[in-house]
Amino acid sequence: DVKVTQSSRYLVKRTGEKVFLECVQDMDHENMFWYRQDPGLGLRLIYFSYDVKMKEKGDIPEGYSVSREKKERFSLILESASTNQTSMYLCACRDPNSPLHFGNGTRLTVT
Amino acid sequence: KQEVTQIPAALSVPEGENLVLNCSFTDSAIYNLQWFRQDPGKGLTSLLLIQSSQREQTSGRLNASLDKSSGRSTLYIAASQPGDSATYLCAVRNDSWGKLQFGAGTQVVVTP
Repeated sequence: DVKVTQSSRYLVKRTGEKVFLECVQDMDHENMFWYRQDPGLGLRLIYFSYDVKMKEKGDIPEGYSVSREKKERFSLILESASTNQTSMYLCACRDPNSPLHFGNGTRLTVT
Repeated sequence: KQEVTQIPAALSVPEGENLVLNCSFTDSAIYNLQWFRQDPGKGLTSLLLIQSSQREQTSGRLNASLDKSSGRSTLYIAASQPGDSATYLCAVRNDSWGKLQFGAGTQVVVTP
């Protein structure tokens, strides 16, 4: 089974802080994704990466950046956290044409 | 732009009854469709993936059908159990990058 590990289940940060959300997968999958999930808005794609050092903007990239230096690790960076970035963040991975597998999520609160 | 709709938004059934969950999409040019389950406060668990060339997929008590021409997929869960209580989401893949468009989900409660 594919294992996708997100480094924190819960995180509380202050406005203006730089925040790093880490995601590691153990199946050597090419594609990795970062989503956020909010009540009433569903899942929205922030960024994705189809290979090492490659990244593409999703639907809501503003205020975020990403890093993929190694195939197994995909990091989401909030350059200067704001209260409207309080959300559940979900990392996912897959190989082309295979199912998408999610981590357990990080509940981020920005105060 | 692809739109994915799941109706109803919530469903409550007694234990033992069969569950029927619906997913509709507006653009029939899809690569595949995936069904997920989400428990409160957790990530999504993949249930079934149906490729565009397939009509259905089965796993245990779960069966998912796909009718591309009408833009619909149905997830059947046989003989529901309280442990099936969760939110079920469908997602459609349209493009070569593999981005998925998600429905809002159907929240299911199975009462003992």
